[in-house]
Amino acid sequence: AQTVTQSQPEMSVQEAETVTLSCTYDTSESDYYLFWYKQPPSRQMILVIRQEAYKQQNATENRFSVNFQKAAKSFSLKISDSQLGDAAMYFCAYRMTDNTDKLIFGTGTRLQVFP
Amino acid sequence: DAMVIQNPRYQVTQFGKPVTLSCSQTLNHNVMYWYQQKSSQAPKLLFHYYDKDFNNEADTPDNFQSRRPNTSFCFLDIRSPGLGDAAMYLCATSRRLEETQYFGPGTRLLVL
Repeated sequence: AQTVTQSQPEMSVQEAETVTLSCTYDTSESDYYLFWYKQPPSRQMILVIRQEAYKQQNATENRFSVNFQKAAKSFSLKISDSQLGDAAMYFCAYRMTDNTDKLIFGTGTRLQVFP
Repeated sequence: DAMVIQNPRYQVTQFGKPVTLSCSQTLNHNVMYWYQQKSSQAPKLLFHYYDKDFNNEADTPDNFQSRRPNTSFCFLDIRSPGLGDAAMYLCATSRRLEETQYFGPGTRLLVL
């Protein structure tokens, strides 16, 4: 069975600095998708970034980028120039490319941003 | 804007009193999901619909039921809420075989 592990329950960063959130996963599949979702306190979960496993190039969305290491089954999220609005719970998630339509979430990392 | 809407945002019910949570979407997505999220935990999938085909997770309690009368609406019924059912309930949607799920704001359920 696929599993997703986020080993950092909490992280903190100073405004304008860079922080990296870790995620590892376990799968025997070769084709799949990986996601980072952000859930601010009492607010909606939104997609931050996604990565297709067949793509070697790391995904980037503005200040957010990933370091995807397929062989190591690692999928870390880097947030550059951190802003106060980045404070949230961040969930790493895995989705197979079969017909299950299901996401498997990690346990989340709570990010605090200090001014 | 196209979106996923959940009502109510907060729901208080009594132990054992049935409660219904609703989700609607304007994205015209054919897959709808219900997740349970307890404090500081990851969302846990309860069930999902592909169109009208219902897919229940093996460990979802019988106490939880769902209805999807049409593409836009989906309901979560909790027949006899227990204290352990207090949680945030998230609805999400996606297109079949497309990767990204779009989440609603959630309904926070309190059981007294």
